[in-house]
Amino acid sequence: DQQVKQNSPSLSVQEGRISILNCDYTNSMFDYFLWYKKYPAEGPTFLISISSIKDKNEDGRFTVFLNKSAKHLSLHIVPSQPGDSAVYFCAASAKGSARQLTFGSGTQLTVLP
Amino acid sequence: DVKVTQSSRYLVKRTGEKVFLECVQDMDHENMFWYRQDPGLGLRLIYFSYDVKMKEKGDIPEGYSVSREKKERFSLILESASTNQTSMYLCASSLPRGGGNQPQHFGDGTRLSIL
Repeated sequence: DQQVKQNSPSLSVQEGRISILNCDYTNSMFDYFLWYKKYPAEGPTFLISISSIKDKNEDGRFTVFLNKSAKHLSLHIVPSQPGDSAVYFCAASAKGSARQLTFGSGTQLTVLP
Repeated sequence: DVKVTQSSRYLVKRTGEKVFLECVQDMDHENMFWYRQDPGLGLRLIYFSYDVKMKEKGDIPEGYSVSREKKERFSLILESASTNQTSMYLCASSLPRGGGNQPQHFGDGTRLSIL
């Protein structure tokens, strides 16, 4: 039972345009959400996060939106750059010890020059 | 900057061998985690630890054990390696929940092949 789902395995976007990556979750106890970026042969790098008390968090070109009623979050990258090409994982955490994360299966973003 | 170091980038072992994967973090983090990453499955939690000598099972602990004798070091042990344990293994660390919402910081991973 996948509690965090990324339904698009891949996404291609033209350089300079907006990239929108989507993520859905089923567990109502999740209250902290994160996006990680992963290049081949490297570990995931933390990108941006959002707490369930907010519906938007912005950091430079990256914005995460949270729709709690729909149990949906999205990552917007504007403008997209070729260096953004990577696998993006969304993750969620519920209240509890150690804050373990549940990850989605990832979306491969390719930004075309 | 947080540094999580995994002892090997690539490792090849044989079926039935006992395999040790080592992870060290330099930020005095209480929490440490072991994941495996497989295509189409994302990252799945194997074990985690929130204190020295403490461990808890994650989603897929079968065939694995862990050891945390010192705060900075968390070891993953494959008791008797099997081919279905061929995977990318990722270690992570984080501050505890009492420090507010904190992201996990990952090492670069160990690509383990079991022949």
